[in-house]
Amino acid sequence: KQEVTQIPAALSVPEGENLVLNCSFTDSAIYNLQWFRQDPGKGLTSLLLIQSSQREQTSGRLNASLDKSSGRSTLYIAASQPGDSATYLCAVSPSYGQNFVFGPGTRLSVLP
Amino acid sequence: GAGVSQTPSNKVTEKGKYVELRCDPISGHTALYWYRQSLGQGPEFLIYFQGTGAADDSGLPNDRFFAVRPEGSVSTLKIQRTERGDSAVYLCASSLSGGRETQYFGPGTRLLVL
Repeated sequence: KQEVTQIPAALSVPEGENLVLNCSFTDSAIYNLQWFRQDPGKGLTSLLLIQSSQREQTSGRLNASLDKSSGRSTLYIAASQPGDSATYLCAVSPSYGQNFVFGPGTRLSVLP
Repeated sequence: GAGVSQTPSNKVTEKGKYVELRCDPISGHTALYWYRQSLGQGPEFLIYFQGTGAADDSGLPNDRFFAVRPEGSVSTLKIQRTERGDSAVYLCASSLSGGRETQYFGPGTRLLVL
C-alpha cells in the first residue's frame, strides 16, 4: 500500500528566504506526482505536476523535483512571500490506479 | 463560475441521519473524484467516476457510503446512518478525461455529525 509522508509538518520562515519542502513515498511504481496548495477552509490548487519520466518542473518561483527510484520529491520555493503561507500537499498517482494518494501536508508560514 | 462547486458548504446533522452532498464539476470534464479530509491530514480517496459509472469505489469506507453520477455531470455523495466519525471535509475534484492528469478541486463540504 502506497504511503506518502511530508517533512517538516510545519515551517515558519521570514519573508525572502528560499525554502525546501520534502515528500517521500514508499512505492516507486507511480504514474505522476503533483504538488498542491491549500488555503484554510478552501479546496486544493494544483501547483505542479511531474510525470514519472520527468525529473523536475518549474513554474515561476516554484521548482519541483522527482527522484522516483528513491521515492522522493522536493518543492523549492524561491524568495518566499507572506502570500505563500498555506498548507502544501504532495500526492502520487499509482501506475495501476486513477486516484491520488496524498501526504499529510506541510503548513508554511512566511512572516513579513 | 468555471470551477468545481460543492453544496452545501457546511452541513450539521445528528448521528443516525441521512445526508447528501452535491458536486458540480467543470463543464466537459468526464472524470470526477470524491475525497475525504480529516483535520490535519491529506485528502483520502473515496470514489472515482468516469462518465456515469463508478470506475473505482475502493476508497468507500463501508456500505453506508454511496455515490451517483446519473447523467455524467453532477454527482451526489450519500451517507446513511451518519456517525460522529464521518465528520470531515468532503472534497470533490474533476479532470478532463481522467488520465491521471491535473485534478481541479472544489472548496469542499464541511460535515459535522453531532
